[in-house]
Amino acid sequence: GQQVMQIPQYQHVQEGEDFTTYCNSSTTLSNIQWYKQRPGGHPVFLIQLVKSGEVKKQKRLTFQFGEAKKNSSLHITATQTTDVGTYFCAGYSAGGTSYGKLTFGQGTILTVHP
Amino acid sequence: EAQVTQNPRYLITVTGKKLTVTCSQNMNHEYMSWYRQDPGLGLRQIYYSMNVEVTDKGDVPEGYKVSRKEKRNFPLILESPSPNQTSLYFCASSKTWTGGNYGYTFGSGTRLTVV
Repeated sequence: GQQVMQIPQYQHVQEGEDFTTYCNSSTTLSNIQWYKQRPGGHPVFLIQLVKSGEVKKQKRLTFQFGEAKKNSSLHITATQTTDVGTYFCAGYSAGGTSYGKLTFGQGTILTVHP
Repeated sequence: EAQVTQNPRYLITVTGKKLTVTCSQNMNHEYMSWYRQDPGLGLRQIYYSMNVEVTDKGDVPEGYKVSRKEKRNFPLILESPSPNQTSLYFCASSKTWTGGNYGYTFGSGTRLTVV
């Protein structure tokens, strides 16, 4: 079935450093979504990308969808302690056995040292 | 306030004792889904529902049951819980299964421990 792999699993940064998490799919994705889960909390939707090569920004966060629509990245510039949490990507492939199932990556756990 | 409400937040139970985790959404969403979250494994889908009376298996359905008799409710039933079902469970809903521009809305989670 469809697999969405996310790396790294863990990332520790000093406050002010940049952070990037990568998401790779075994199949072409129709869309990619990103979620953030604060420690002890639940996943919260951040953004959706649907077009090949699409780039979207939310303040210090930059999201990219690869040209082949098989990978995506989330980049945070100058991390802050409020960025701490787990970042998940999620996507689906049109048709086949993926119908009805948004597949989530394993998540990247970000810790930020002040 | 638009939300997904799960109950209970925490539950400790014994092996074999049937339990139900409730999930309710007030956004008139057609799609609802259950996930379990385990360290290093991310969010794995248990069951999902496209609409009332329409449910289907996700990736890890063994040991779970669901029902969707009303649009707003999607309870998760563990008929005979076992220790390997100890996990953090999330219910999610969305207007469509693809998530669309607003993505999935998740409940606050239920931490289940089976001893």
